[in-house]
Amino acid sequence: AQSVTQLGSHVSVSEGALVLLRCNYSSSVPPYLFWYVQYPNQGLQLLLKYTTGATLVKGINGFEAEFKKSETSFHLTKPSAHMSDAAEYFCAVTYSSNTGKLIFGQGTTLQVKP
Amino acid sequence: DADVTQTPRNRITKTGKRIMLECSQTKGHDRMYWYRQDPGLGLRLIYYSFDVKDINKGEISDGYSVSRQAQAKFSLSLESAIPNQTALYFCATSGGWNNYGYTFGSGTRLTVV
Repeated sequence: AQSVTQLGSHVSVSEGALVLLRCNYSSSVPPYLFWYVQYPNQGLQLLLKYTTGATLVKGINGFEAEFKKSETSFHLTKPSAHMSDAAEYFCAVTYSSNTGKLIFGQGTTLQVKP
Repeated sequence: DADVTQTPRNRITKTGKRIMLECSQTKGHDRMYWYRQDPGLGLRLIYYSFDVKDINKGEISDGYSVSRQAQAKFSLSLESAIPNQTALYFCATSGGWNNYGYTFGSGTRLTVV
C-alpha cells in the first residue's frame, strides 16, 4: 500500500538553526510529493511540491525540499528558523494512477525556541 | 472571500444528532474532497468527488455521507453523530489530473458530546 511516514511528531530547534523535517514514502510508481504547513487555527497551505523535473524544489518562506528516489525521501529544510515557522507540517504524496487523491503523513509539529 | 469556505467553523452537537458540514469553492475546480484531522494521524480521506455525478468513498467513510449539490458545493453529513467523530474536518478542491495541488478550507472543528 502507498504510504507516507514523517519521522518525528515533534521537532524543536532554536531560532536561527537549521530546520530539517523528514518524510519518506512508499511507492512502486513515480510519486508527486508535497509539503503543507498548518498554522494554529488555520487550514493547510501549500509550501512546495515536486511533480517532475528538478529534484530540488524551492517553496515559500525560504523552505526547500529534495526528492531522492534512491532513498524514497522528500525531506524539508530551511537554513535558518524563524519564530514564525512554528507550525505543523504535513508531507503528502499522490500518483498519476491515484487520480489525484492525496495521502498524508502523520504531521510534524515544529517548535522554534528563542 | 476565501477560495474554499467551510461552515460552520465550530460546532458542538450531541450524540445521535444529524449534522451537516458545508463547503463551497470559487476556484472553478471539479474535484472536491473531505478529510478529517486527528492528532497524530494526519489527514484521512472521508469522501471525494470528481464532478457532480461522481462521488467516491475514501478510507474512513463509515458513518458519513456526502452530497455534491453543484460544482462549487460539497457537503458532508454525519447521520448519527458519535463522540469518536470529534475532529477537525477539512474540505479541499483541486484542478485536473496534472494539477495535484489542493486548496483547503479553514476547517470545521466538530465536537460530539
